[in-house]
Amino acid sequence: GAGVSQSPSNKVTEKGKDVELRCDPISGHTALYWYRQSLGQGLEFLIYFQGNSAPDKSGLPSDRFSAERTGGSVSTLTIQRTQQEDSAVYLCASSFLPSGSSTDTQYFGPGTRLTVL
Amino acid sequence: AQSVAQPEDQVNVAEGNPLTVKCTYSVSGNPYLFWYVQYPNRGLQFLLKYITGDNLVKGSYGFEAEFNKSQTSFHLKKPSALVSDSALYFCAVSGYSSASKIIFGSGTRLSIRP
Repeated sequence: GAGVSQSPSNKVTEKGKDVELRCDPISGHTALYWYRQSLGQGLEFLIYFQGNSAPDKSGLPSDRFSAERTGGSVSTLTIQRTQQEDSAVYLCASSFLPSGSSTDTQYFGPGTRLTVL
Repeated sequence: AQSVAQPEDQVNVAEGNPLTVKCTYSVSGNPYLFWYVQYPNRGLQFLLKYITGDNLVKGSYGFEAEFNKSQTSFHLKKPSALVSDSALYFCAVSGYSSASKIIFGSGTRLSIRP
């Protein structure tokens, strides 16, 4: 595809339910990030995948949050037992990191707007 | 630990006037620095980046940013503001370490009045 895609675009769920958010990065991009953005606010780092390295999970707010990246491509962010404070836009970004490079321009998906009732 | 600060929540500028959106950072060693823009109901878009080389970096839509190592700053500038520049602007920083991740500032809302 031409860019990063995320699905669903909108998700409304009831408190206590589990949700899965999907991210399809740009083909060939080795790095993948998840961020959370509350209404009109800044980006809160959640988790970072880089190639085959262990993911950086330092931003996950609680053990209800987890993410995986299968085959170095698609990533799924799972939120268990959702709470109202989980309501936000969840953004995914990917970037291409050539060997020896630590970071480069991120390309963002359109986000998933999660509403927990 | 790396961090980035955008001290102004909002910047108001008249159309045609120069604009500056401030950003300061803290990182071990040399930084990678980025500016992104978020228009209403749209995703984040890359504006420009500093990796190495010239301290003045030019980017999209006529924006530029100046890397100042002594002041640990990377302020975003534009000589003449347009109403269409009104948006939310984010500064981001990463270190050179392969373990570094990109950290974003809290964002500055730029409002350009006609």
